[in-house]
Amino acid sequence: GNSVTQMEGPVTLSEEAFLTINCTYTATGYPSLFWYVQYPGEGLQLLLKATKADDKGSNKGFEATYRKETTSFHLEKGSVQVSDSAVYFCALRLDRGSTLGRLYFGRGTQLTVWP
Amino acid sequence: NAGVTQTPKFQVLKTGQSMTLQCAQDMNHNSMYWYRQDPGMGLRLIYYSASEGTTDKGEVPNGYNVSRLNKREFSLRLESAAPSQTSVYFCASSGKDRASNYGYTFGSGTRLTVV
Repeated sequence: GNSVTQMEGPVTLSEEAFLTINCTYTATGYPSLFWYVQYPGEGLQLLLKATKADDKGSNKGFEATYRKETTSFHLEKGSVQVSDSAVYFCALRLDRGSTLGRLYFGRGTQLTVWP
Repeated sequence: NAGVTQTPKFQVLKTGQSMTLQCAQDMNHNSMYWYRQDPGMGLRLIYYSASEGTTDKGEVPNGYNVSRLNKREFSLRLESAAPSQTSVYFCASSGKDRASNYGYTFGSGTRLTVV
């Protein structure tokens, strides 16, 4: 089946610390991979994406590289800010077959950044 | 502003009551989705509609029904609410074209409490 496993939180960091949130996946085909972010009281917003192996997605200082050999898509940021406090979701989407267009989400990782 | 609009934002129901959550998108997207979000569970797909006139069950459809009224609107109905349906509900839509990478747009959510 198709599934996403991401590291459990909560993750608590000081401002300017380095962030890694691990994400691995299982898929029956060749998925596209995504990171979504949810700020308090809001819906999910697309943070970054990668559609094929070795692609690197990046946005707002966050990066993630699609690693087919390790089936991973870990999220990183070199220096977090208080405003990065949110819940982060890893997700996959298959571009073929009966589940075309559907997103499969991980359980989310709560990040809190202290000043 | 273009996007996905959900109503209501908050709702309290008594066990056994019924209600309909409304969702509308103005991006001419073909596909629409209803998710529920529970602590530690991430987002779970309730129902989805790949195109106008079609609906399919997701991971957790029991206790819910949906209607794809037209291309813009996709409603979720709880016929007899139960406390287990206390959750935050998100509607989302996605475009069919590969150029947009089936980008998802989420509504801001409905926080439902069943007492």
